[in-house]
Amino acid sequence: QQQVKQSPQSLIVQKGGISIINCAYENTAFDYFPWYQQFPGKGPALLIAIRPDVSEKKEGRFTISFNKSAKQFSLHIMDSQPGDSATYFCAASAGGRGGADGLTFGKGTHLIIQP
Amino acid sequence: DADVTQTPRNRITKTGKRIMLECSQTKGHDRMYWYRQDPGLGLRLIYYSFDVKDINKGEISDGYSVSRQAQAKFSLSLESAIPNQTALYFCATSQGSKNIQYFGAGTRLSVL
Repeated sequence: QQQVKQSPQSLIVQKGGISIINCAYENTAFDYFPWYQQFPGKGPALLIAIRPDVSEKKEGRFTISFNKSAKQFSLHIMDSQPGDSATYFCAASAGGRGGADGLTFGKGTHLIIQP
Repeated sequence: DADVTQTPRNRITKTGKRIMLECSQTKGHDRMYWYRQDPGLGLRLIYYSFDVKDINKGEISDGYSVSRQAQAKFSLSLESAIPNQTALYFCATSQGSKNIQYFGAGTRLSVL
């Protein structure tokens, strides 16, 4: 049973455009929603994260939008650049013991930014 | 992240062999995790440890075991490797109640 559903699987965006990746979750106990970025041959690295007490978080060109009632969250990359080409994973975790139980990941989105 | 080191980086083994993947960290974090990545499936949690005496099963622990030898070391063992355990394995760390997890560069394992 997949608890975090991510779409699309792959995405091609022109340089300067907006990249949008969506995720939906089922477990209402989730209270932490990070996005990870992974380049080939590397481990995932935290990009940006949000908690359900806010509806949006922005860091530079990256924004998370969060809809608690719909149990959905999305990543928006503004002014997308070729260097943003990577695989992006949404994830979620529940509070557990002190908050750092393992993450439940979506299946990933392979993003290509065309020059 | 060089602070989380996985060895070996690549390994080819045969069905039925015992194999150990190792992870060490210099971040001083108390929590460590093992994930498996398969194409199109994302990352799935195998085991996690809150400290040397606290080991927990994740989503896909069958066929795997772990050992937390010290706060800085967390190893993953496949007692009798099978081909469907061919995957990319990642170790990660975090500190206390902070959810930020830091990943190593991964170990690519092939079971023939």
